Formats: sequence, C-alpha cells, structure tokens
Amino acid sequence: KQEVTQIPAALSVPEGENLVLNCSFTDSAIYNLQWFRQDPGKGLTSLLLIQSSQREQTSGRLNASLDKSSGRSTLYIAASQPGDSATYLCAVKERTGANNLFFGTGTRLTVIP
Amino acid sequence: GAGVSQSPSNKVTEKGKDVELRCDPISGHTALYWYRQSLGQGLEFLIYFQGNSAPDKSGLPSDRFSAERTGGSVSTLTIQRTQQEDSAVYLCASRRAGETRGEQFFGPGTRLTVL
Repeated sequence: KQEVTQIPAALSVPEGENLVLNCSFTDSAIYNLQWFRQDPGKGLTSLLLIQSSQREQTSGRLNASLDKSSGRSTLYIAASQPGDSATYLCAVKERTGANNLFFGTGTRLTVIP
Repeated sequence: GAGVSQSPSNKVTEKGKDVELRCDPISGHTALYWYRQSLGQGLEFLIYFQGNSAPDKSGLPSDRFSAERTGGSVSTLTIQRTQQEDSAVYLCASRRAGETRGEQFFGPGTRLTVL
C-alpha cells in the first residue's frame, strides 16, 4: 500500500526566509503528485500538480520538484510571508488501481513577522 | 465559477444518531470523492463515484457508512448509529470528466463532532 510521509511535521521560520518542505512516497508507480494548502478549519487549496513525466512545476513563489525514481518531492517557498502560514499536504495518485489520492500527514508552517 | 460546496459546515450529534453530509461538486465534474480527516491523522479515502455509480468503496470503514449520488451531481454521505470515533472533518472532492491530469478540487469540509 502506498505510504506518503512528510517531514518536518511543523516548521517555524522568520518572514523573508526561503524554505523547503519534503514529501516521500513508497511506491514510485505514480500518475501525479499534488501539493495542497490547508488553512485552519478550511478545505484544501491545490497549489501545484506535477505529472509523473515532469520534473518540476512553478507558480509564483512556489516551486515543486519531483524525483519519481527516489520517491521524493519538495515544495520550495521563496521569500516566505506571514500569509503563507498554513498546513501543506502532498498527495499522490497511483498510475493503476486506486482512483483516490494518498495523502501525507502534512507540514504545519508558521511564518513569523 | 462556484467551487465544491459542502453542507453543513459543522455538525454536532449524539452518539447513536444518524447523520447525512452533503456535497455539491463543481458543475460538469463527473468524478466525486469522499475523504475523512481525523485529528492528528492524514486524509483517508472513503469512496469514489464515477457518475452515479461507486466503483470503489474500499475506504468505507464499516457498514454504518454509505453514500449515494443522484443525477451525476449531488452526493450524500450517511453515517448510521454514529460513534465518537466518527468525529472528523469529512471532505469532498470532484474532478472534471476527461481531465487527464487527474486534478481534484476540494470543498471546505464538514466538521462532525459526535458527543
């Protein structure tokens, strides 16, 4: 069964710092990997989706990379802002079989003004 | 355009009562998913609909859980004889027909508290 792990579980950084969030998955036969943001008491907002054939995706200050063979993805946030404070979740969709996403437990990010 | 909506946003119930949670997917999205997020846990998959049929119910934790979808649109997740361990945030997601990237769009969730 696919297992997705995110480290660290929590991270606090001062405003302006660049940071990296990590995601690893056990089965490399994935269709895509998606990064989400979840604010307290809210649903999930999709940030970036990387297809299995891609190496990275960028949106504004966010850059997500994918190394499928090693089962890893990183989310890089440049010049962090207090508004970036949230829980970041990664999820993988497998190539065959299940239609659902397999989620990590998330990294709770706090950006200190 | 409207996103995925869920109702109620919060539900408090007593142990043993039945509850119904509703999901309105994005118009035109044929695939619909239910997930559960328990305190301190990751999101776990419950059930997947393609149109009105549910080809994958593998995540439903017990026979107290059921879901239906009508008209290829609205879905209802029903939990019978609720238990305290059912307390969680229930999230619904939908995906557009023929969307090859497989991107899912999530609703705000329903926070269920079983006393």
